Amino acid sequence: QVQLVESGGGVVQPGGSLRLSCTASGFSFRKNAMHWVRQAPGKGLEWVAFIRFDGSKTEYRDSVRGRFTISRENSKKTLYLQMNRLRPDDTAVYYCAKVGEDYGDLYHFDTWGQGTLVTVSS
Amino acid sequence: DIVLTQSPDSLAVSLGERATINCKSSQSVLFNSNNKTYLSWYQQKPGQPPKLLIYWASTRESGVPDRFSGSGSGTDFSLTISSLQAEDVAVYYCQQYHTTPLTFGGGTKVEIK
Repeated sequence: QVQLVESGGGVVQPGGSLRLSCTASGFSFRKNAMHWVRQAPGKGLEWVAFIRFDGSKTEYRDSVRGRFTISRENSKKTLYLQMNRLRPDDTAVYYCAKVGEDYGDLYHFDTWGQGTLVTVSS
Repeated sequence: DIVLTQSPDSLAVSLGERATINCKSSQSVLFNSNNKTYLSWYQQKPGQPPKLLIYWASTRESGVPDRFSGSGSGTDFSLTISSLQAEDVAVYYCQQYHTTPLTFGGGTKVEIK
């Protein structure tokens, strides 16, 4: 079945770095744009970034642009989020999500991972 | 940024009764080039990731019970649960995927009265 599994979360001090991974299975990963969405404890959903199916285009929300980098390795069916200069307000569960249409960038998310918790605290 | 305003924040409905959640967008999420409305609805239960219910404002995702329906156009949208079941207790979010940054509504918590 279609599945996304995130890993790499943990506790990090302010100013530190983490790299999240999202491993896909059950679908043609190379055909789909992928997104990261986060959810602070007890809060709503916040879109973070997306990457085109072939990696040729990326976009970020303003608050993470220049600190976070989204990338992908289609041969490994893996999506990444490199997070640098982390701040306490980056504390959240980070979800990877697959768009529901092949080759398009901006579509509904038909599959989500279970999420990985990132805690930024001293 | 496109702001999505959901109402109400929370809703308590008796089992078997109708629940309606509203989502108002600060600008149109209709793409004239393909006449599609770039709005979706998700259900999130505690400790779980969101689950897609509705996309293109009114298309039900495969496997979603037909008591869930989406409607609306332009800037005003609704999610209706026609006959609330115990397993529908959750937080519901609307989302626009018309323009980056993609944005979500603030969520509506649905409970049993």
